[in-house]
Amino acid sequence: AQKVTQAQTEISVVEKEDVTLDCVYETRDTTYYLFWYKQPPSGELVFLIRRNSFDEQNEISGRYSWNFQKSTSSFNFTITASQVVDSAVYFCALSERNAGGTSYGKLTFGQGTILTVHP
Amino acid sequence: GAGVSQSPRYKVAKRGQDVALRCDPISGHVSLFWYQQALGQGPEFLTYFQNEAQLDKSGLPSDRFFAERPEGSVSTLKIQRTQQEDSAVYLCASSFSGGRGAYNEQFFGPGTRLTVL
Repeated sequence: AQKVTQAQTEISVVEKEDVTLDCVYETRDTTYYLFWYKQPPSGELVFLIRRNSFDEQNEISGRYSWNFQKSTSSFNFTITASQVVDSAVYFCALSERNAGGTSYGKLTFGQGTILTVHP
Repeated sequence: GAGVSQSPRYKVAKRGQDVALRCDPISGHVSLFWYQQALGQGPEFLTYFQNEAQLDKSGLPSDRFFAERPEGSVSTLKIQRTQQEDSAVYLCASSFSGGRGAYNEQFFGPGTRLTVL
């Protein structure tokens, strides 16, 4: 069965520091997608980034970057020059085929990392 | 707005009552998902619809949970004879397509916070 582990329960940083959120996953599928979502206090999950299992190229998007390594089943997420507005719960998620094996859909989430950025 | 909407935002029920939670997906989105998020945990998958067809209901915790999407748009999650362990936030998400091919990200609603007393 698929599993996503976020070992860091809470992280606290001071504004402008860089912060990396760790994520390790387990899957038997060879084709899958990995995601990072942000959940601010309002509760709505906000999509941040997506990576498919075929592409291990790491990228930067604004202040966000990610490090995907299939060899270690890790998909870490970095926020550069953190801001107070980045304070939220961050979830790593994995998507595989559904029970019928016909399409991708259901997300398996980690338990989340609470990020607090202090001014 | 044009996002996913859910109602009610908050629901308090007495143990044993039936509740119905509504989700209005983004117009034109084929796929609709329900997730349950307990306090301090990540969301957990409940069920998945492609149009009006419920293709995966493997995450529904018991036969007290029932979901429908009769016209392929609005969906209702019904919980019968609520128990205290049903207290959670129920999240709905929709995506453009659910078939083979490129994956489309899911857009989440604000959730319904259910408290069972």
